[in-house]
Order: sequence, then C-alpha cells, then structure tokens
Amino acid sequence: EDKVVQSPLSLVVHEGDTVTLNCSYEVTNFRSLLWYKQEKKAPTFLFMLTSSGIEKKSGRLSSILDKKELFSILNITATQTGDSAVYLCAVERYNAGNMLTFGGGTRLMVKP
Amino acid sequence: ETGVTQTPRHLVMGMTNKKSLKCEQHLGHNAMYWYKQSAKKPLELMFVYSLEERVENNSVPSRFSPECPNSSHLFLHLHTLQPEDSALYLCASSQEEAGPQHFGDGTRLSIL
Repeated sequence: EDKVVQSPLSLVVHEGDTVTLNCSYEVTNFRSLLWYKQEKKAPTFLFMLTSSGIEKKSGRLSSILDKKELFSILNITATQTGDSAVYLCAVERYNAGNMLTFGGGTRLMVKP
Repeated sequence: ETGVTQTPRHLVMGMTNKKSLKCEQHLGHNAMYWYKQSAKKPLELMFVYSLEERVENNSVPSRFSPECPNSSHLFLHLHTLQPEDSALYLCASSQEEAGPQHFGDGTRLSIL
C-alpha cells in the first residue's frame, strides 16, 4: 500500500523566517510527487516533481526530490502571513490512472 | 471564472435524506475525481472517472453513488448517510495521464 508521511505536523514561525517542510513516501512504480497549498478551500497546485536533484522554484517557494532516499522538501523563504496554510504532499504511480495518494499535511502558521 | 466549480458550498442533511453534489470543470480536462477530507485525516480518493468511465471506487460504501454524464460534469449522489460521513467533499479534474489535478472549493457536508 502506498504511504506518504509529512513532517512536522504543524509549525509556527514569524514573518521573515525560512521553513522546510518534509515529505517521505513509499510507493511502487513511482511517477511523480506533487505539492499543494490548502488555505480554507481548494488545494492549489504548487509543484510537480519527477526527477531527482532538480530544484523547482516559484518566487519564495522551492522544492526538490530525492528518488533514492524517497523524500521531498518544500522550502519557503522570507515567510509572510499569507503563507499560513496546510501544505499537502501527494504521490502518483504509473498505471494508476493519475490517482494521487496524499499525506496528512503540515499546518504552517506565520505570525506577524 | 474558477476552473472547477462545486455546488452547493454547504449542505446539512438528515440521515434519511437524498441529495446530490455537483462538480463542473471548465479546463478541458478528461478525468475527474471525488475526494473526502475529514478532520485530522489525509485526503481520501473516492472515485475516479477517466474519459467518462469509472476507473476505481476504492471500496466506498454504496450510499455514495457517482455519476459522470460527460467530461465536464461529475455528480455524487448521497442517500442514507451516517454521521461519520460529515466531511469536506472535494472534486478535482486533470488531463488523463498527465499534469496535476486541479481542485474545486469543496462542499462542506454535515449529517445530522
């Protein structure tokens, strides 16, 4: 059975801090790993990672995948209160109809 | 216009009622999904429709019945639900076999 574990479960930081969120996985026929941000409503897509060692970047957010050690990290630099959300990690298998297995999420709170 | 629209936003129903959740996507995707998000649990995949055919139902109880009349619309018919079915129900869509899933804002369902 596919397994996705995120850590920490929750995190409280102050504006300007840098945070690192972790996602480890066990999945057969791994295809990709995705990061989403969920505030009060719809999870919004952040990154899709398929290859090891290639950093994906979008503004203050970046992510990298290690397919040998089976984990990914999501970094947020110079955090802002608008970064407060639950960050979800999900993995996708080949031959599984694009179905995703999600982790439990990391709840990030950024204080002013 | 949001890419994936769900209605209603909130629904309160008794255990003997019958209701339906609706999802519509405007992204030209050909795969649609229903997820259940309960407090303190990871997002759980309920149903997948790819090219309007159901791919997997993940052993969801029969009191949940999906319907996908075309690639843009997805319904979840509910009957004789239990209190533990209270949750946020999220719809998503994607291009089959490629690309991330895009989520709607969800329907918050409460069973009395």
